[in-house]
Amino acid sequence: DVKVTQSSRYLVKRTGEKVFLECVQDMDHENMFWYRQDPGLGLRLIYFSYDVKMKEKGDIPEGYSVSREKKERFSLILESASTNQTSMYLCASSSPRGRPLGANVLTFGAGSRLTVL
Amino acid sequence: AQRVTQPEKLLSVFKGAPVELKCNYSYSGSPELFWYVQYSRQRLQLLLRHISRESIKGFTADLNKGETSFHLKKPFAQEEDSAMYYCAPRGNEKLTFGTGTRLTIIP
Repeated sequence: DVKVTQSSRYLVKRTGEKVFLECVQDMDHENMFWYRQDPGLGLRLIYFSYDVKMKEKGDIPEGYSVSREKKERFSLILESASTNQTSMYLCASSSPRGRPLGANVLTFGAGSRLTVL
Repeated sequence: AQRVTQPEKLLSVFKGAPVELKCNYSYSGSPELFWYVQYSRQRLQLLLRHISRESIKGFTADLNKGETSFHLKKPFAQEEDSAMYYCAPRGNEKLTFGTGTRLTIIP
């Protein structure tokens, strides 16, 4: 019954390494999102995508990039990991506004906890 | 700027007592409002949305446009309500989350 799958549950990386976080959804959703979740700061939007090959910056895009080559897959890339990117990363997807029955409701993955040493 | 405020980071309530989790927003236009919940070791999930005007697990949330608030309420807390709760207004396709309130129900 899993609908949004994040490939890695736990990762440990070293400063300067390139990190890929993968997310796949099987609901044919147009919209996909990457958030980071930190205690006391809530969820902060990093990047989102309305469609294949489209991306939009969220509130904290610095140090991150994304890729959406296929509708079902949205990847988050840390070009050069730093210790302040240690966090829980959440992927989510949704169908656009205007579509009935669950439009705009986010379905989340289980999260990827990244530790950068 | 679009903002959402959850003033309480932590809230402890005795079982059977009423619960109110506060949410205030500052948004242009008419945002759609949601409450999301994350139980221990579970995924973040939708609890309720204001346009549905429904009660989920005994929780309700009334949109007060005059006060720009969307407080979450339950008349009688249960132990299984212990979780992290996020208020989330949505102005377009982008959802903005508050900082969250961790609710603990004391047996």
